[in-house]
Amino acid sequence: DQQVKQNSPSLSVQEGRISILNCDYTNSMFDYFLWYKKYPAEGPTFLISISSIKDKNEDGRFTVFLNKSAKHLSLHIVPSQPGDSAVYFCAASAERGSTLGRLYFGRGTQLTVWP
Amino acid sequence: DTAVSQTPKYLVTQMGNDKSIKCEQNLGHDTMYWYKQDSKKFLKIMFSYNNKELIINETVPNRFSPKSPDKAHLNLHINSLELGDSAVYFCASSLWAKSEAFFGQGTRLTVV
Repeated sequence: DQQVKQNSPSLSVQEGRISILNCDYTNSMFDYFLWYKKYPAEGPTFLISISSIKDKNEDGRFTVFLNKSAKHLSLHIVPSQPGDSAVYFCAASAERGSTLGRLYFGRGTQLTVWP
Repeated sequence: DTAVSQTPKYLVTQMGNDKSIKCEQNLGHDTMYWYKQDSKKFLKIMFSYNNKELIINETVPNRFSPKSPDKAHLNLHINSLELGDSAVYFCASSLWAKSEAFFGQGTRLTVV
C-alpha cells in the first residue's frame, strides 16, 4: 500500500512559468517531508524539505507547502527552467517515530520544462 | 569527489548466479541504506545499517544479504538471482535517524 502518492505521472510547463508538483500521504505519523530530483541514470538528489511544524519552506526558486489537515504537500518552482526537467519524488518519514530515517517515496512526477 | 559511490553501475547476469554490489560513502555518515526501484518506478527501502548494525530489514528474500564492514561501506550480496530481481538498486547514507539521505547513482541489475 502506497503511503505517499503522486497522482500526476507527468507535468509539462513552459520556461519562466510556475511548476506545481503535488503529493498526498496517508500516514498521520509522518512528520518530515522531502522532495528529491532525479535525472536519468543518476541517483535521487535532495532538493528541499519541510518539517510538520511548518507549513512553508522556501529555498531560492523552490518552495514547499504543507497542508497537514489535508495530508497534502506541493512543490512550487518559480520560474521554471529547462534544467529543471527531471523526475521529482516526494518522500516522507516519521523522524519522531521508530522508522529511523526510513523514507517512503511516491512514484515520481516527470517534469518537462520547454522553451 | 563522489559522496556516495556504488559499483558497478550496470550488471547483467544469468539466473542462478550470485552477485555483489558495493557501496561507499565519504560523508562521515553513520547510517547507510539500500533502496530498490522496481519496474513500476517505486523506490522502497530494503535495509538500513547504523554503525555496522542492522536497523531496518524489510520483507526481503533472504537471498539478499547486506554486509557492512565499517560505517563507510555497505555492500549487498544477492544469491541465486531470479528474473524478478531485475531493478535499479540505490545505496544511500544519512546522519543517524535523519531523513535527508544522499543517494548513489544506482546499479541497474538485469537478470537474464
